[in-house]
Amino acid sequence: AQSVAQPEDQVNVAEGNPLTVKCTYSVSGNPYLFWYVQYPNRGLQFLLKYITGDNLVKGSYGFEAEFNKSQTSFHLKKPSALVSDSALYFCAVRDYSGAGSYQLTFGKGTKLSVIP
Amino acid sequence: AAGVIQSPRHLIKEKRETATLKCYPIPRHDTVYWYQQGPGQDPQFLISFYEKMQSDKGSIPDRFSAQQFSDYHSELNMSSLELGDSALYFCAERRSTGELFFGEGSRLTVL
Repeated sequence: AQSVAQPEDQVNVAEGNPLTVKCTYSVSGNPYLFWYVQYPNRGLQFLLKYITGDNLVKGSYGFEAEFNKSQTSFHLKKPSALVSDSALYFCAVRDYSGAGSYQLTFGKGTKLSVIP
Repeated sequence: AAGVIQSPRHLIKEKRETATLKCYPIPRHDTVYWYQQGPGQDPQFLISFYEKMQSDKGSIPDRFSAQQFSDYHSELNMSSLELGDSALYFCAERRSTGELFFGEGSRLTVL
């Protein structure tokens, strides 16, 4: 089975500073990777994905992620953090179960706190 | 833009009772997923449907069942509820571009 790991339970960053939320993956075959954000008591909102192509993927709300095959990483980044970015961030990988069906397997999540 | 609609948004039940959650994906979207997210946990895949047939099964307890109907809406039925079933339950649809689009979730509290 495919899996992702988020090594940090919490990340604190000052407003205006760049932020990075880390994710590493373990897959057989080509990885299909995703980032989602979750605000308290809300659903998961899709931010961006890597399927193939450029290693730097741009997504919603100014977020981007860098796919690094040699390091098996897919870190989420933003050049300048906003207080409103404070939320729970999940990395996910597409996990095939055969017969063409798949689901997403999520990491444990990283709580991002942007300090004013 | 229209999104995945889940109902009810909040539900309180007693132990050993039964609960039903409903999911209404965007019309003509044929693939539906159910996830369970316990307090402070990551979402766990329960079950999925494609064209009204079960396509994959995850960590869904035997006390739970689900189905997708002819209008593509889906229902998750949970019986003999336990305290540990208290969680956020998400329904998601799969977009043609590959990502899953989630509803706002149904919060189940078992007392």
